[in-house]
Amino acid sequence: DVKVTQSSRYLVKRTGEKVFLECVQDMDHENMFWYRQDPGLGLRLIYFSYDVKMKEKGDIPEGYSVSREKKERFSLILESASTNQTSMYLCATRQGKAEAFFGQGTRLTVV
Amino acid sequence: AQTVTQSQPEMSVQEAETVTLSCTYDTSESDYYLFWYKQPPSRQMILVIRQEAYKQQNATENRFSVNFQKAAKSFSLKISDSQLGDAAMYFCAYRGGANSKLTFGKGITLSVRP
Repeated sequence: DVKVTQSSRYLVKRTGEKVFLECVQDMDHENMFWYRQDPGLGLRLIYFSYDVKMKEKGDIPEGYSVSREKKERFSLILESASTNQTSMYLCATRQGKAEAFFGQGTRLTVV
Repeated sequence: AQTVTQSQPEMSVQEAETVTLSCTYDTSESDYYLFWYKQPPSRQMILVIRQEAYKQQNATENRFSVNFQKAAKSFSLKISDSQLGDAAMYFCAYRGGANSKLTFGKGITLSVRP
């Protein structure tokens, strides 16, 4: 089974802090994605990566950056956390034309 | 840009009954994939069913089946013999053939009445 692990299930950070959300997959998938999920808005794509050191902006990249130094790890970075970034963050991976596999989500609260 | 629309935010079904969740999408591509994902309270997104656009036959997975109407750009999910464990949020999603991005609808919350 594919395993996608997000480093934290719940996280509380202060406004202005630099926040790292980590995602690790164990199946050598090329594609990795970061989504945020908000009530009434569904899942929106923040950033994705086709390969190591490759990244592309999704639909809502403002206020976020990403890092993929190793194939199995994809990090989402909030350079200066703000309260409007309070949300559920979901990491996903995919290989080829197969379906995407998701992590368990990180519920981030910025106070 | 591709869009996915789930117009009903909530639905309810009696246990053992059948329910249909609606989804429409907009695309100019001819080669694409459609998915239904389930998100229970545990938050883990689980693939329910997938449909390749080039296949005319509707996908089926046990109690779950789809009604794929390509011309109408409609992709509804039918859940037969509903069970309490089916209560969850359901998301319809689209992925283009040459595009690895997965576009989601806003989701629908399904409750199952015992």
